[in-house]
Amino acid sequence: QKEVEQDPGPLSVPEGAIVSLNCTYSNSAFQYFMWYRQYSRKGPELLMYTYSSGNKEDGRFTAQVDKSSKYISLFIRDSQPSDSATYLCAMVPLTGANNLFFGTGTRLTVIP
Amino acid sequence: DTEVTQTPKHLVMGMTNKKSLKCEQHMGHRAMYWYKQKAKKPPELMFVYSYEKLSINESVPSRFSPECPNSSLLNLHLHALQPEDSALYLCASSQEPPQPQHFGDGTRLSIL
Repeated sequence: QKEVEQDPGPLSVPEGAIVSLNCTYSNSAFQYFMWYRQYSRKGPELLMYTYSSGNKEDGRFTAQVDKSSKYISLFIRDSQPSDSATYLCAMVPLTGANNLFFGTGTRLTVIP
Repeated sequence: DTEVTQTPKHLVMGMTNKKSLKCEQHMGHRAMYWYKQKAKKPPELMFVYSYEKLSINESVPSRFSPECPNSSLLNLHLHALQPEDSALYLCASSQEPPQPQHFGDGTRLSIL
């Protein structure tokens, strides 16, 4: 079993839809959680960073962490064609914190 | 535009060549990283420099050799690479972990 599991997609939604992207993890040592967006032929771009259970909002993006269930989500409201990209969840343990543990990524396409 | 700059953007080399990839950041970060990313896969950590001290992923072949001339610069020296080394090579930097990592747009490397 991988330490971080991510719904692989691909996911295709109409413009304006609410998108839900999800990851689960097995290691309770993970304490810091990130979402990255990666466009084709570009590097991953940090979208959200959180370390608390609960919700964190930034514009159209909401990151949700449930440490008791070992489950994180990224919600995108009013999705736009420019949101079409691969989304990677990543997490870091409290110790050995140089290592980012990535999910496999979800490819999202928003159709105009 | 990212704050982590990588050069060159593309590199094609033969298996007997020696080349270097370069990375620069001006965010005052004290940790810098090299990752390898194959198509449709998440990035895999190769090397970490934290306060200019190297940590190695033991599975990385010796034909990859990192160098950190100072806290803003990171090089990856390549020698006698194999076709399976063709990939996107990403540089990242961060404040002291577990602060999130910021990625450059990578060097796309092709080995003939």
